[in-house]
Amino acid sequence: QVQLVESGGGLVKPGGSLRLSCAASGFTFSGSYMSWIRQAPGKGLEWVSYISSSGNTIYNADSVKGRFTISRDNPKNSLFLQMNSLRAEDTAVYYCAKPLTGRSYTFDYWGQGTLVTVSS
Amino acid sequence: QSVLTQPPSVSAAPGQKVTISCSGSSSNIGNNYLSWYQHLPGTAPKLLIYDNNKRPSEIPDRFSGSKSGTAATLGITGLQTGDEADYYCGTWDSSLSAVVFGGGTKLTVL
Repeated sequence: QVQLVESGGGLVKPGGSLRLSCAASGFTFSGSYMSWIRQAPGKGLEWVSYISSSGNTIYNADSVKGRFTISRDNPKNSLFLQMNSLRAEDTAVYYCAKPLTGRSYTFDYWGQGTLVTVSS
Repeated sequence: QSVLTQPPSVSAAPGQKVTISCSGSSSNIGNNYLSWYQHLPGTAPKLLIYDNNKRPSEIPDRFSGSKSGTAATLGITGLQTGDEADYYCGTWDSSLSAVVFGGGTKLTVL
């Protein structure tokens, strides 16, 4: 069965960096677009970034452009999100999400999330 | 301010029907497929509806979706207390080159 397990969250000071990982299993990771989506406390879902199966196409939300970088390691079935210049408003639960087969923006599997807290 | 607009909350009694609206524009709902998600606090969001009106096999037919122009609707019949959750619509916005979600609607089953 499909499993997505995020890790790497934690407490970081404003201006700091953090790298999130997502370990994927149960599907052909190398053939699937992947996304990061977050939810700030008391707020709704906010898409952060997506990467094509090969890694050649990347889209980012305006709120993270220039600060966050999505990447993947297909042989290791892993997705990453490098987060730099973190701000208080980046505090959120970050989900790794897999799109429905043949789609790129419809997500049928989500991880349980990893909490990132940006605070001094 | 979300690109897609949803009512903040809806409520209905057990066994009744409720609808949740999602409005957007030609750059998102008007020209792209829409999905609906159910999200209970502390859990992973669940896909309820995709391609405007299709259900994953494990989703009961109490859940339905429709789309007309730049607006979409999620319908839930035979409400159960277990349906209490936050519901989000989502799609691609061709102008923003971004996935966009509605602000979410909290469903209360009274």
